[in-house]
Amino acid sequence: NAGVTQTPKFRILKIGQSMTLQCTQDMNHNYMYWYRQDPGMGLKLIYYSVGAGITDKGEVPNGYNVSRSTTEDFPLRLELAAPSQTSVYFCASSSIEGGYTFGSGTRLTVV
Amino acid sequence: QKEVEQNSGPLSVPEGAIASLNCTYSDRVSQSFFWYRQYSGKSPELIMSIYSNGDKEDGRFTAQLNKASQYVSLLIRDSQPSDSATYLCAVNNDYKLSFGAGTTVTVRA
Repeated sequence: NAGVTQTPKFRILKIGQSMTLQCTQDMNHNYMYWYRQDPGMGLKLIYYSVGAGITDKGEVPNGYNVSRSTTEDFPLRLELAAPSQTSVYFCASSSIEGGYTFGSGTRLTVV
Repeated sequence: QKEVEQNSGPLSVPEGAIASLNCTYSDRVSQSFFWYRQYSGKSPELIMSIYSNGDKEDGRFTAQLNKASQYVSLLIRDSQPSDSATYLCAVNNDYKLSFGAGTTVTVRA
């Protein structure tokens, strides 16, 4: 089993550019999440989804967008990248019991 | 999201000693609690989950939960250099996890 697969692993964006971070899980989990992790700040929830077609904002959604057209995929879209979006992004999925499985992360730098 | 506070690190322990990590949370209705280990540059990895008051042991790890005090802890017995990592406390609220900032543990030989 691949678990949760994130691409790309690294990316450098220029200010104002856009990009999509891909996330796919093969565990048939209904719940999927996007977090960002800044040094010393812990993980902050950006968006989450409880099933295909259903998404909702987390703690820090500004500047991001998501979609959930299938159970497997949960892409995160960054529009008009800003230096404040420099971070490590983690996608995760879970079953109803609540323990997450994380992807390997995407390290994004906006210059 | 609700607040999750962890004891500030870094925590340095000698090899073979017990490392004690503490976590408090603000939402009284939380029902499930998790400890994740994160090595530098890697993603968090689930090491313990606990749902009921009391202790839960898994190998060298023991999680303790006290819902009345809104307190969760993790003990690492016989600490090994491979235990050197950041440990994240997470609390489940409405199927979303709130994370503490983490405590970095260094096990010195």
